[in-house]
Amino acid sequence: YVVTQPPSVSVAPGRAARITCGGNNIGRKNVHWYQQKPGQAPVLLVYDDSGRPSGIPERVSGSNSGNTATLTINGVEAGDEADYYCQVWDEISDQVVFGGGTKLTVL
Amino acid sequence: EVQLVESGGGLVKAGGSLRLSCAASGFRLSSYRMSWVRQAPGKGLQWVAFISSSSDYIYYADSVRGRFTVSRDNAKSTLYLQMNSLRAEDTALYYCARAPYGENYLDSWGQGTLVSVSS
Repeated sequence: YVVTQPPSVSVAPGRAARITCGGNNIGRKNVHWYQQKPGQAPVLLVYDDSGRPSGIPERVSGSNSGNTATLTINGVEAGDEADYYCQVWDEISDQVVFGGGTKLTVL
Repeated sequence: EVQLVESGGGLVKAGGSLRLSCAASGFRLSSYRMSWVRQAPGKGLQWVAFISSSSDYIYYADSVRGRFTVSRDNAKSTLYLQMNSLRAEDTALYYCARAPYGENYLDSWGQGTLVSVSS
């Protein structure tokens, strides 16, 4: 199973950033999102399409339907600059699958 | 506080072996599934291996199957990754990460241990 992310997304401060994760009927899978800042380990941002772990602000949200899952970050701040990865479980091959990652740049 | 601390990385020649460890603290390891995930320099995340809470289910990425072996000792709160027949393309930062029981998302990660394979 392959999941595809755009290599980069740019957004002005205060605007909304939307990062997509595409895959065949991905809407039927649970999609999880991670944020990784330079030199740091990844951090879970969203689980099971739209769940937020404790400590993750409400301006971070996720959705999933059809062939596209989307991570939305409202009111983007300079501190949101990072790489973002989506992840699913492929039940056919019994493997964890990560997207290639999207670099978010705050203009 | 949940902590995962990897160790055992280093420089090894192609064809050699290494054993990575991941020491867990602040939670009961036996209640969690665990995975190893690696990241080559400047590249994205690549899942390596998964082991269920009681080692009943073990899965590997195609790129490491037959060369790597994941195991765990819940009594010692430690996860392992035995890496044999190492290749230059195995060079990466290796993270251990936990997944809640019944889930496949990774809710806590270690800081990683670096493996460098010289060709």
